[in-house]
Amino acid sequence: EIVMTQSPATLSVSPGERATLSCRASQSVSSNLAWYQQKPGQAPRLLIYGASTRATGIPARFSGSGSGTEFTLTISSLQSEDFAVYYCQQYNNWQTFGQGTKVEIK
Amino acid sequence: QLQLQESGPGLVKPSETLSLTCTVSGGSISSSSYYWGWIRQPPGKGLEWIGSIYYSGSTYYNPSLKSRVTISVDTSKNQFSLKLSSVTAADTAVYYCASQENYNWFDPWGQGTLVTVSS
Repeated sequence: EIVMTQSPATLSVSPGERATLSCRASQSVSSNLAWYQQKPGQAPRLLIYGASTRATGIPARFSGSGSGTEFTLTISSLQSEDFAVYYCQQYNNWQTFGQGTKVEIK
Repeated sequence: QLQLQESGPGLVKPSETLSLTCTVSGGSISSSSYYWGWIRQPPGKGLEWIGSIYYSGSTYYNPSLKSRVTISVDTSKNQFSLKLSSVTAADTAVYYCASQENYNWFDPWGQGTLVTVSS
């Protein structure tokens, strides 16, 4: 099983600042990685697939990068609606999720 | 656009079988582009993929749950279903269904349904 490790567990950021979230795979997943946003009481929402392609309707302030085992989700200027938990998911070999990074207001 | 909705009992007794159904609207479950998946999330914890099915009936299960999971599809009703047997308190979770493009990422997701395992 491919283990996905996200860091940090919690990220405290002020509105308008940049947030950088990391996701590491225990073995290469090529570019077969997705990012999701989950707000309390809601289902996850797809943000990024193919490591760097924004899903339909996702604002340009969200960007993804990386390949192999190291991936990054960047939110260029945090808006109030961006405070949430973010998960990465690999789909190169079965599918596994990271444990999540909570982005909270500083 | 695709919409998914989970349905089923919110309370299941230990050792019994959890059964949920996901109804797909806004598109056909027989689409060649999609698989259909189940994911769960214990309260306050992360996401765990349970398994996925193609409209033809081909199934893929999480190895850690495989011995207890059955996923089936009913194309006439545009539905797919989950059965999880011999449940314990550890199976208490919000269960989501989702479409899975070409067995890759999950989008969209249903709203989720909380299933509690308790006597």
